Amino acid sequence: DAKTTQPPSMDCAEGRAANLPCNHSTISGNEYVYWYRQIHSQGPQYIIHGLKNNETNEMASLIITEDRKSSTLILPHATLRDTAVYYCILPYTGGFKTIFGAGTRLFVKA
Amino acid sequence: ETGVTQSPTHLIKTRGQQVTLRCSSQSGHNTVSWYQQALGQGPQFIFQYYREEENGRGNFPPRFSGLQFPNYSSELNVNALELDDSALYLCASSGTGATNEKLFFGSGTQLSVL
Repeated sequence: DAKTTQPPSMDCAEGRAANLPCNHSTISGNEYVYWYRQIHSQGPQYIIHGLKNNETNEMASLIITEDRKSSTLILPHATLRDTAVYYCILPYTGGFKTIFGAGTRLFVKA
Repeated sequence: ETGVTQSPTHLIKTRGQQVTLRCSSQSGHNTVSWYQQALGQGPQFIFQYYREEENGRGNFPPRFSGLQFPNYSSELNVNALELDDSALYLCASSGTGATNEKLFFGSGTQLSVL
């Protein structure tokens, strides 16, 4: 069901920017891109979402390519507490349901 | 802190038993979605309840059933438990059940079936 593709894992040094890519080549015009993260043994937490324009909030920035076929979540200064699984999701794909793929496991190292 | 609470946090059952998991949605939210998350996998959608009615269902057998109450809290019931039902069960609430809405998740119930 998932229409997004993410690398299974990534490493990042503490204090550096973490750039997590997501491919969604079959995205349709009215589908938003959402990002959630899940820290071990907790429920997923909403991070950010966008449609066409780049977005920024207190947690992260979201860069969406002009053709909307891919996006990048940026954590500008990663900390050890950012170690988690990050999910890129297109909620409209499932209509009423939000489908999660396997996500990217980000390891932030000291 | 999302305001979504789930109980119990951990549960151990034996094969063939029945279990009920509970979820209190965030204040002001009328939609609850349930997910099953096996170890090392992403959450799998079970079903969604909107204003006390089932609003959609994933690929789960009928022994997975649910209920939503007038205060929008919800229960997930699983009958005839199987070993593969061992998982983290997550509840998420949202405002109206529309597609482009943020989901607010609880911390989950860890179910172990022996």
